[in-house]
Amino acid sequence: GAGVSQTPSNKVTEKGKYVELRCDPISGHTALYWYRQSLGQGPEFLIYFQGTGAADDSGLPNDRFFAVRPEGSVSTLKIQRTERGDSAVYLCASSPDAGGNEQYFGPGTRLTVT
Amino acid sequence: GQQLNQSPQSMFIQEGEDVSMNCTSSSIFNTWLWYKQDPGEGPVLLIALYKAGELTSNGRLTAQFGITRKDSFLNISASIPSDVGIYFCAGRPPGAGSYQLTFGKGTKLSVIP
Repeated sequence: GAGVSQTPSNKVTEKGKYVELRCDPISGHTALYWYRQSLGQGPEFLIYFQGTGAADDSGLPNDRFFAVRPEGSVSTLKIQRTERGDSAVYLCASSPDAGGNEQYFGPGTRLTVT
Repeated sequence: GQQLNQSPQSMFIQEGEDVSMNCTSSSIFNTWLWYKQDPGEGPVLLIALYKAGELTSNGRLTAQFGITRKDSFLNISASIPSDVGIYFCAGRPPGAGSYQLTFGKGTKLSVIP
């Protein structure tokens, strides 16, 4: 079946602009996660949704970052007033239940802030 | 926060050789996962481990969950060119609601034909 999909695959934006990154999880997966991966590093947790609610947003670096999942499926990560340090690959993952042990990742969105 | 130390950082091996890499933590984990990431792709789950001492295989891959719950290793037998990539360990800490994974920095594997 279809895996996790993310759009766009690449996004270049100017410093100070607003961006939205989209994630379509695997159909039927109730849990959704956002991670950020900088060059040469492993993914770092940002936020976790169980259904429509953000159950854990402890990884969001500051209040410029926000994510929603209004219908419990597609999620959007929103970044306001982007900074060059926000440049990274943003990965989305989903898992079948709240256990979260087996998380399946999408291909990521590469964000470049110039 | 919790840190995972993954080693080696990189390795070059001849095709056909066996590979071993490991991951250690300063604190315990309830779950260990091993992922492989190719350039421009997201991490792909290889093996999941749920119990201390557990040894699990997936084809030529074998992984173990350390008895202390603070370490794990991954072995690849008879390496082939398509094994090239970056291998990440990831752990899930104990505690209700701890669904986030902590990742190591990865082991970059290169296979010489």
